[in-house]
Amino acid sequence: QVQLKESGPGLVQPSQTLSLTCTVSGFSLTSYNVHWVRQPPGKGLEWMGRMRYNGDTSYNSALKSRLSISRDTSKNQVFLKMNSLQTDDTGTYYCTRDRGPGITNLDYWGQGVMVTVSS
Amino acid sequence: NIVLTQSPATLSVTPGESVSLSCRASQSISTSIHWYQQKSNESPRLLIKYASQSISGIPSRFSGSGSGTDFTLSINRVESEDFSIYYCQQSYSSLYTFGAGTKLELK
Repeated sequence: QVQLKESGPGLVQPSQTLSLTCTVSGFSLTSYNVHWVRQPPGKGLEWMGRMRYNGDTSYNSALKSRLSISRDTSKNQVFLKMNSLQTDDTGTYYCTRDRGPGITNLDYWGQGVMVTVSS
Repeated sequence: NIVLTQSPATLSVTPGESVSLSCRASQSISTSIHWYQQKSNESPRLLIKYASQSISGIPSRFSGSGSGTDFTLSINRVESEDFSIYYCQQSYSSLYTFGAGTKLELK
């Protein structure tokens, strides 16, 4: 069955770099896009960016200068790296997927990983 | 960026009532809008895709409508398990955006 699972450190110091991994199963990264979405505590959802099935990436304009998404198809993993973290980057980070053009709803989501930015 | 404005921010209802939640886009987005439900401490769950298309496994009391800039999620006869936050999301632009959400709470 389709699964996505986020992993990474729960605590990151201010100004440091966040590294998260989304490990997927039940589908191929060469057929589906994988997105990162985050949610500050008690607030709404923010789309961060995507890794397309063909290896292309797109980023939220507000995060573009700090964000990088990559993948390892042999390990079924998509990676998020975001630098210069501040306290308002604290929140739950989700990976999710869509099929691509014509099928752009986010149908499966990971459980999320909570990240706290604090010294 | 396409901005999605959801209203109201909070909706207080009693079980059995029928409700409508609104999502307005800052420009025409055809029917490229999707609705999600998020219960406390859970991941979002897809409810409706492309404005009005149903999703397997989602109760039939949930329905969607609209096109262009104005969209509505309707819940026919709210049940206790429906009290949660609802988000709309657009995929008309390749840079996706979400609305701020509508919290459906028990009156």
